[in-house]
Formats: sequence, C-alpha cells, structure tokens
Amino acid sequence: QQQVKQSPQSLIVQKGGISIINCAYENTAFDYFPWYQQFPGKGPALLIAIRPDVSEKKEGRFTISFNKSAKQFSLHIMDSQPGDSATYFCAATQSGSARQLTFGSGTQLTVLP
Amino acid sequence: GAVVSQHPSWVICKSGTSVKIECRSLDFQATTMFWYRQFPKQSLMLMATSNEGSKATYEQGVEKDKFLINHASLTLSTLTVTSAHPEDSSFYICSARDYGGTDTQYFGPGTRLTVL
Repeated sequence: QQQVKQSPQSLIVQKGGISIINCAYENTAFDYFPWYQQFPGKGPALLIAIRPDVSEKKEGRFTISFNKSAKQFSLHIMDSQPGDSATYFCAATQSGSARQLTFGSGTQLTVLP
Repeated sequence: GAVVSQHPSWVICKSGTSVKIECRSLDFQATTMFWYRQFPKQSLMLMATSNEGSKATYEQGVEKDKFLINHASLTLSTLTVTSAHPEDSSFYICSARDYGGTDTQYFGPGTRLTVL
C-alpha cells in the first residue's frame, strides 16, 4: 500500500532547539523523498529532498536523515526559530509513474520565542 | 527558481455556479500538473494528474464530470468546479513538474473556494 506515516502530529520546540519529524514508508519502489513546508493559507514549498542512495543531506539548518533498511527518514531543523513555525509534510514518489507524491499526514511545528 | 501561480487566490460563489481556477508555470514548461484539495489541518489529497494534450487522470472517488481539468499548453492547466455546492468549499492547490522530467514538484499558492 502506498502510504507514508508521519509523526508527531504536532511539535512544540523552544527557540534554538532541534525539531525532529519522522516518516516511515512501506513501498520499496519509492526513490525520492522531499519535505515540504506550508504556512497557513499558502501552498507547500519544497524545503529539501533526498534519494535513497545517500544517508544524509544537509542544507543550512535543515537535514534529512535516511535509513533505507528501516524504510524511515526524518527531518531535523537545527537552531529552530519562530519563523519556522509551520506545517511540515514528508512525501515520497516512485519511478515509472507520473511521479505523483504520496504525502504524510503533516506535522504542525510551533517554535516558542 | 521555478514559480507556479494560481488565479484566483480566493473566490466566493453561489451554489450551482461554476468556478474556474488557473494554474500556470511561469518560468518552466510543465508536461505534468497535479491538482490537490486540502481541508483545514489535513494533508493534501491528490485529485487528478493533468498531462498536456491529453485527458486528465482522476483519483478514485473524484468525479471527473464535476471537476473538469484542461491542460492545453505546457504552462497552463485549469480546474473547473462545475455546479459548485457548499461541500466543494476547500483549498485547491496545483503543482507542476518541469519538462525536463525531474522529480521536483513546485506548488502554487492555492485557491480558497467558498461556496455559499
């Protein structure tokens, strides 16, 4: 079944702390794993993405960790800021298709000042 | 960076009327565009995949006669909600893949539809 499970549903972090959001998948045909950030009333914006041939990708304060054997991947936000408060979605897509994204359920992150 | 626009950003209409939403890729050509629907505090639900020059592919449970999709060019796809009813009120978001066939989908800003 094409499904991506995301946790936690909500997360509250102090400014300067580390925010960690986890996702797990079942479909081994998935080969591209993006993370999207969405602010209220706006469309999702691509944050960072990874392929399963690497275990980690870092872009600024955002890092994806990927565990292919466990079929899990996570987003780490270092030095979290109030401006990072948003909803984060993990997603996955597979080759050989129209590349539809399968989204996780979302995590509402609140960073306290 | 790749930019996708949507128009209008919000619309209010009376029950029974039809509403057209445009999705444009501004600085790249999109062979494939996607239409999503999102309810408050929920994830994005894929409604249909729109391919330039061919019929859209609808997800199970999505009425193709109610949600008409046209992808007439490599930069424009439209979603028409026909005979809209209050239960069609939602946030509609489009996304586009670039012509080069990369994996990245770029999302539009969304359209808030309210049907009275």
